[in-house]
Amino acid sequence: GQSLEQPSEVTAVEGAIVQINCTYQTSGFYGLSWYQQHDGGAPTFLSYNALDGLEETGRFSSFLSRSDSYGYLLLQELQMKDSASYFCAVREGSGSARQLTFGSGTQLTVLP
Amino acid sequence: DAGITQSPRYKITETGRQVTLMCHQTWSHSYMFWYRQDLGHGLRLIYYSAAADITDKGEVPDGYVVSRSKTENFPLTLESATRSQTSVYFCASSEGTSSYEQYFGPGTRLTVT
Repeated sequence: GQSLEQPSEVTAVEGAIVQINCTYQTSGFYGLSWYQQHDGGAPTFLSYNALDGLEETGRFSSFLSRSDSYGYLLLQELQMKDSASYFCAVREGSGSARQLTFGSGTQLTVLP
Repeated sequence: DAGITQSPRYKITETGRQVTLMCHQTWSHSYMFWYRQDLGHGLRLIYYSAAADITDKGEVPDGYVVSRSKTENFPLTLESATRSQTSVYFCASSEGTSSYEQYFGPGTRLTVT
């Protein structure tokens, strides 16, 4: 089976930096994705790491350590609009079995 | 407009009734997925499809049926709705080689009374 752990809530102030951690246990790991979801909205893709290291996309960065079964999403220069839920998701399987298993999500609140 | 759409957006039904949620995508993505989202559980995969006429179970398939006769459509049917199936349902699609990047529809909020 598989399981993902991420904090349920994180609070930070506008302009700050926040890190959302994700640890996982899975039998067939191919990569770690991050998604953002605003209240009442649909999840939207942020980033993906298949290999160890840091991937940067604007204010957002994502990191993966396969040996530690650990990743994080780093949000810099926080803005009010970043208040949302953030989900890590493990990509597993091969061939026709390409699935994502999602964590329970981290609710980020950005304060003025 | 191109994209992925779901209908209806809101549905209230009674226990025991059959209800079908529709999903349509215009990208010709090979993969399509159905998730349910409940408080405290994140997104849980119900069924997915790798191509037309190819479907497979996800984490929580019981009580649901899917079909995919055309690449662009992936309907989800609750054969006999139960209160535990009250949830928000999201359909998603992805290209075959990039299933890590899925595009989600706006969701259907289903209430079973």
